[in-house]
Amino acid sequence: AQSVTQLDSQVPVFEEAPVELRCNYSSSVSVYLFWYVQYPNQGLQLLLKYLSGSTLVESINGFEAEFNKSQTSFHLRKPSVHISDTAEYFCAVSDLSRGSNYKLTFGKGTLLTVNP
Amino acid sequence: NAGVTQTPKFQVLKTGQSMTLQCAQDMNHEYMSWYRQDPGMGLRLIHYSVGAGITDQGEVPNGYNVSRSTTEDFPLRLLSAAPSQTSVYFCASSPGQGQRSYEQYFGPGTRLTVT
Repeated sequence: AQSVTQLDSQVPVFEEAPVELRCNYSSSVSVYLFWYVQYPNQGLQLLLKYLSGSTLVESINGFEAEFNKSQTSFHLRKPSVHISDTAEYFCAVSDLSRGSNYKLTFGKGTLLTVNP
Repeated sequence: NAGVTQTPKFQVLKTGQSMTLQCAQDMNHEYMSWYRQDPGMGLRLIHYSVGAGITDQGEVPNGYNVSRSTTEDFPLRLLSAAPSQTSVYFCASSPGQGQRSYEQYFGPGTRLTVT
């Protein structure tokens, strides 16, 4: 079985500060990794994904995440946050061994609050 | 494309009542899933379907039934609602093949309260 641990349930930061949201996973097989974002009262949107290739993946709005296989981590970073980045962020994994791309295991979420 | 749509947006039920949460997608996706979201718990998979006529249980299936008679629709049924089923329910779909096969597209959610 696989699991996802998001180490911080809440992260408050000031606008234009850097931020890192931490995610660790455990799995006995290869996985795909995802970050989803949920803005208040909305559904989840895919922020970025790691499937293969370069271990550093980027989103269109300045977030990036790095897959570290040895540390089984997939931390999300942004060098300078905006008020509009306030949202809940979920890390998720998909187990490759069974072709289970339709079954995601989510972490419990990290609420990022950006203050002026 | 409307994407993934869910109805209703909000629902209040009394213990023991039944209801169906509707989910539809217009992207011709093979895979569809239902998740529930509870504070501090993230999202947990209830049931999923890999195609019309094929469904299976996820992590928390008890108290819920599903069926998939068409590619587009994947309703979730609560046969006898319990307060423990108070949650926000999300439906998701995935192409199942191609470059975006590992991306899941989520609906806006249904907020259910059982009193």
